[in-house]
Amino acid sequence: AQSVTQPDIHITVSEGASLELRCNYSYGATPYLFWYVQSPGQGLQLLLKYFSGDTLVQGIKGFEAEFKRSQSSFNLRKPSVHWSDAAEYFCAVAAGGYQKVTFGTGTKLQVIP
Amino acid sequence: DAGVIQSPRHEVTEMGQEVTLRCKPISGHNSLFWYRQTMMRGLELLIYFNNNVPIDDSGMPEDRFSAKMPNASFSTLKIQPSEPRDSAVYFCASSLSLAGGEETQYFGPGTRLLVL
Repeated sequence: AQSVTQPDIHITVSEGASLELRCNYSYGATPYLFWYVQSPGQGLQLLLKYFSGDTLVQGIKGFEAEFKRSQSSFNLRKPSVHWSDAAEYFCAVAAGGYQKVTFGTGTKLQVIP
Repeated sequence: DAGVIQSPRHEVTEMGQEVTLRCKPISGHNSLFWYRQTMMRGLELLIYFNNNVPIDDSGMPEDRFSAKMPNASFSTLKIQPSEPRDSAVYFCASSLSLAGGEETQYFGPGTRLLVL
């Protein structure tokens, strides 16, 4: 069965600084990978997804992620963080079939002035 | 598009009462998912429907939980009787399932349930 690990529970960055959120997955074949963001009191919003093709994926709000098969990773990056990026970020992996999605435990991002 | 609609947004009830959560998926989507989110367990898939048919309910915690999808535009998740440990945020998500498996789930805003 697939699994996702987000090793950082909480991250604090300064506004304007770069950001990288880590995600490692476990799955035997090429997975489908997602990053979602959840603002307080809100549902999950899709930031970006990887199904196949170019391993560098561009998403909304200036985010990107890179699929690295050799490292079983799908880290999320942003070159310059804005205060509005403060939220919880979830990495998720799906296998084939009906796409049962497994979510990581999330990383809470705090942005300080 | 209106997105996935859930109601109510907040529900406070007393232990033993019946709770019904409602979801309207995005028009044209053929898959619907119910999730539960808690601090302790994170985001858990409860049940998945495809073309209104329950496909996988292995995540439903116990018989007190039931879910229905009478048509393509409506689903309910019912808890009877409710218990304090059911307090959580319940999310509904929908997707368009295509041959080849590439699909993305779109989430509703959630229902925040508090059982006293």
